[in-house]
Amino acid sequence: AQKITQTQPGMFVQEKEAVTLDCTYDTSDQSYGLFWYKQPSSGEMIFLIYQGSYDEQNATEGRYSLNFQKARKSANLVISASQLGDSAMYFCAMREGLYNFNKFYFGSGTKLNVKP
Amino acid sequence: GAVVSQHPSRVICKSGTSVKIECRSLDFQATTMFWYRQFPKQSLMLMATSNEGSKATYEQGVEKDKFLINHASLTLSTLTVTSAHPEDSSFYICSAPDNSGNTIYFGEGSWLTVV
Repeated sequence: AQKITQTQPGMFVQEKEAVTLDCTYDTSDQSYGLFWYKQPSSGEMIFLIYQGSYDEQNATEGRYSLNFQKARKSANLVISASQLGDSAMYFCAMREGLYNFNKFYFGSGTKLNVKP
Repeated sequence: GAVVSQHPSRVICKSGTSVKIECRSLDFQATTMFWYRQFPKQSLMLMATSNEGSKATYEQGVEKDKFLINHASLTLSTLTVTSAHPEDSSFYICSAPDNSGNTIYFGEGSWLTVV
């Protein structure tokens, strides 16, 4: 079974509007971490936001927030006030366990296009 | 600035030769680093986990004799693609978690083209 599922291969959003990128995960571990990364066409992976499985509040980082619904096993990324520079691939990832040597699993990604 | 540096960013090599890609953590010591491969428009596929001072752990289906990983120090891991073939052409990217494990830094990635 897929560990991380991103069901939206591509999304369009109008500049200055908010957009939600979906991510669901599958794990039987109680301790895990959820991450979102942005990958522009240059290929670099840019860390956006992190949510630990024991964190009760949704993580926020500037215009990024993570809508964490533990019972539904979803970790959607919300980008507010979209900018043209937000156009990129976005990957949801999960680490099973809380140690730095635990493996990462990536979703298939969502390509976001921000329209002027 | 970058906290994980990967080199070279682009490399073209002839079929049958070997290529070494370096991944360095600049501001912290990384006992663990991960190596990924990414095909165009696809997700990152974990190839192996590099552990300082011990053998790398390879994912199923990854040839350990072809993709040699050496993690000789707390700041450097290397991936050597041996006897490269055109099908090895891909984007290779490394990552290193910080000590908390809550932030994972990626290198800039390396585009390998085998001709």
